[in-house]
Amino acid sequence: DVKVTQSSRYLVKRTGEKVFLECVQDMDHENMFWYRQDPGLGLRLIYFSYDVKMKEKGDIPEGYSVSREKKERFSLILESASTNQTSMYLCASSPQTIRGKRRTEAFFGQGTRLTVV
Amino acid sequence: GQSLEQPSEVTAVEGAIVQINCTYQTSGFYGLSWYQQHDGGAPTFLSYNALDGLEETGRFSSFLSRSDSYGYLLLQELQMKDSASYFCAVRETNDYKLSFGAGTTVTVRA
Repeated sequence: DVKVTQSSRYLVKRTGEKVFLECVQDMDHENMFWYRQDPGLGLRLIYFSYDVKMKEKGDIPEGYSVSREKKERFSLILESASTNQTSMYLCASSPQTIRGKRRTEAFFGQGTRLTVV
Repeated sequence: GQSLEQPSEVTAVEGAIVQINCTYQTSGFYGLSWYQQHDGGAPTFLSYNALDGLEETGRFSSFLSRSDSYGYLLLQELQMKDSASYFCAVRETNDYKLSFGAGTTVTVRA
């Protein structure tokens, strides 16, 4: 089974703290994603990566950065946490191709519920 | 950028059929996916359409019309366990970027 593991299920941080959310996948997937999920807004893409050390901004990158030093690990960094970053954060991974065919399924971690106080 | 539109809520009875529509605007479109998410759980993949037409997987089917920038997910023979949120998602930007809609909450009543 594909496993995407997020380091914490629940996290409480103070305003202004630097926060690291870690995500590890065990299926050698090229693509990795970070989303935040808020009621009524669905999953909004923060950043994604298609290879080691490669990163692309998603739709709401402001206030966030990412790091992908190893293929299996994709970290989300909140440089200075603010209360409006209180949310559920979801990490996902997907392969690009298998045997020449494009694979599309993304696998998600269980999420980290971050509260900034 | 991209935008995806889908209804926010649908309610139906057990055994009924529900269709969830999704319209999208995007550049570099590669395909439309559907995901299911139960309360407290992670989204899980249901289906993917890259070409026009219908894809059937058991009780669930998904349709795509690229010319209309439109797709739908059809849930047949609804069961209580189908109560969940359903998201459409587009793949774009050289097939790397995966962007989601706001989701449709499906409630199945007895």
